[in-house]
Amino acid sequence: NAGVMQNPRHLVRRRGQEARLRCSPMKGHSHVYWYRQLPEEGLKFMVYLQKENIIDESGMPKERFSAEFPKEGPSILRIQQVVRGDSAAYFCASSYGLPGYNEQFFGPGTRLTVL
Amino acid sequence: DQQVKQNSPSLSVQEGRISILNCDYTNSMFDYFLWYKKYPAEGPTFLISISSIKDKNEDGRFTVFLNKSAKHLSLHIVPSQPGDSAVYFCAASGNSKLTFGKGITLSVRP
Repeated sequence: NAGVMQNPRHLVRRRGQEARLRCSPMKGHSHVYWYRQLPEEGLKFMVYLQKENIIDESGMPKERFSAEFPKEGPSILRIQQVVRGDSAAYFCASSYGLPGYNEQFFGPGTRLTVL
Repeated sequence: DQQVKQNSPSLSVQEGRISILNCDYTNSMFDYFLWYKKYPAEGPTFLISISSIKDKNEDGRFTVFLNKSAKHLSLHIVPSQPGDSAVYFCAASGNSKLTFGKGITLSVRP
């Protein structure tokens, strides 16, 4: 039973380019969450999605960032026109049921470096 | 506004002794608390959790204590092992998302 998969593990982009981060949840999980970890910081919630729906995007910057979780395929976190401040580790997590009383299982993360 | 605080950035203990990791929170709406362990270059791994209706939960060497009136929880690891050396994050659940503390780096000396 594979865990949460994220790819790529490392991504280097120049300022102004687009970054696409992918996340495949654990089998049977329909709830996906994205978190960002800046150096020396804890993980910060960005967005919570179920299949084809964004449930809570209160932690996502209003501009340049978007997320989707289509009916088929992985969840995608897209960052347009990246800036150096976007350099961070981005973690995806999934859970079987509603958040709160269901543990979230994390992927290994994508480390984004913006040059 | 940091709603989950882990005020000690690091802790060093001798192998075989007890490790006590502390966490404080400010939001009384949090109703479920979790501890995650993280190794470098890996994602966090779920360790143990506790509901707000309980004050203690035990799983092997790991015990989590919750003091709701003080808005404080702690993770006890007994006995500590070198393999426990990692960053430990406290997280609180509310409104469909987890709020994490900044983490504590635990070092267990052989």
